[in-house]
Amino acid sequence: AQKITQTQPGMFVQEKEAVTLDCTYDTSDQSYGLFWYKQPSSGEMIFLIYQGSYDEQNATEGRYSLNFQKARKSANLVISASQLGDSAMYFCAMREGLGGGSNYKLTFGKGTLLTVNP
Amino acid sequence: DTEVTQTPKHLVMGMTNKKSLKCEQHMGHRAMYWYKQKAKKPPELMFVYSYEKLSINESVPSRFSPECPNSSLLNLHLHALQPEDSALYLCASSQGQAGNNEQFFGPGTRLTVL
Repeated sequence: AQKITQTQPGMFVQEKEAVTLDCTYDTSDQSYGLFWYKQPSSGEMIFLIYQGSYDEQNATEGRYSLNFQKARKSANLVISASQLGDSAMYFCAMREGLGGGSNYKLTFGKGTLLTVNP
Repeated sequence: DTEVTQTPKHLVMGMTNKKSLKCEQHMGHRAMYWYKQKAKKPPELMFVYSYEKLSINESVPSRFSPECPNSSLLNLHLHALQPEDSALYLCASSQGQAGNNEQFFGPGTRLTVL
């Protein structure tokens, strides 16, 4: 079974509108971390936002927020006021456990290609 | 300095060549990573170095040989590669095991094996 599922291969949004990118995860660990990365066509992976499994508040970073629903095992990324520069591939990732060697391993979803239209 | 640098940006090599990819960070991070990414796919972890020691090897073929000369540098030595090894190779670093420990990625090296 996939540990990270991103069900939207591609998404389109109008400039200045908000968009939600879906991510569900599967783990039996109590301690884990969820990450979102942006990858433009240039190739660099850019860290956007992090949510820890024990964090009670949804994470926010500027125009990015993470809608964390622990019971549903979902960690959707919300981008407000989309900009043309937001067009990129977006990956959801999970790290299981907060100690030992497993702490280094990120499991990535397959990604969602977001296109922002002018 | 909050970036990870990688050289070269592009590399074309034959199957009999020996080449090296280089990665450098000056953020004081103690964990460094190599990933391989094929087109339209997520990155796949290859190696992890923690405190300059190899911590994880994800069953990578021996034609890929990592090296961590010091805490700021990470190399990936390539020898006798196959055309299917053509991919984007990403280096990343993170503080270590503590906290949220996000990984910061370099811009990658696009490798083509002829």
